[in-house]
Amino acid sequence: SQTIHQWPATLVQPVGSPLSLECTVEGTSNPNLYWYRQAAGRGLQLLFYSVGIGQISSEVPQNLSASRPQDRQFILSSKKLLLSDSGFYLCAWSVRGGRETQYFGPGTRLLVL
Amino acid sequence: GDSVTQMEGPVTLSEEAFLTINCTYTATGYPSLFWYVQYPGEGLQLLLKATKADDKGSNKGFEATYRKETTSFHLEKGSVQVSDSAVYFCALATGGSYIPTFGRGTSLIVHP
Repeated sequence: SQTIHQWPATLVQPVGSPLSLECTVEGTSNPNLYWYRQAAGRGLQLLFYSVGIGQISSEVPQNLSASRPQDRQFILSSKKLLLSDSGFYLCAWSVRGGRETQYFGPGTRLLVL
Repeated sequence: GDSVTQMEGPVTLSEEAFLTINCTYTATGYPSLFWYVQYPGEGLQLLLKATKADDKGSNKGFEATYRKETTSFHLEKGSVQVSDSAVYFCALATGGSYIPTFGRGTSLIVHP
């Protein structure tokens, strides 16, 4: 069966520090991969998605970036965090093609102070 | 573009009450429709789905019917429990896009 992991689970970082969040998927090949952010009490905001290794599409211009160095690994990064980067970050995968279910990881809660 | 509209929350109910959370959509293609649930502090998980008109998705006592004529996919449960307290997201996905469209979520609070 398929599993999706995210780490760390919780992170407290000072403003201006770098960020690296990792997501890995097990039990499937060639998945579509997604990064979402969820602010407190708000809905989902799609940040990045990827349909293959090295292929990244950005949905919202900001100080975050994403990379996909391996088929089942998706990394979210920042060189300098802002207060507004605080939130709950969710990684998700789906089978290639449209009309498919998304499978979400447990999330990383980021607090920028 | 595609969009999903959900009723505003929070929805507050007593245990064993009937639940309806409304969801309507607009889509350029022929979408699959989903309900996801997010329990406090967790990621989203699929609750149910329907892939064509008049299909009924069901799981854990929840049901939703794909109504193409009214472009709706309302979530219902006959008798809610305290453990159903969560945020519920309606979503659609079309064949022409890798990007699903989510509603803003509806918070459900069930009191004993």
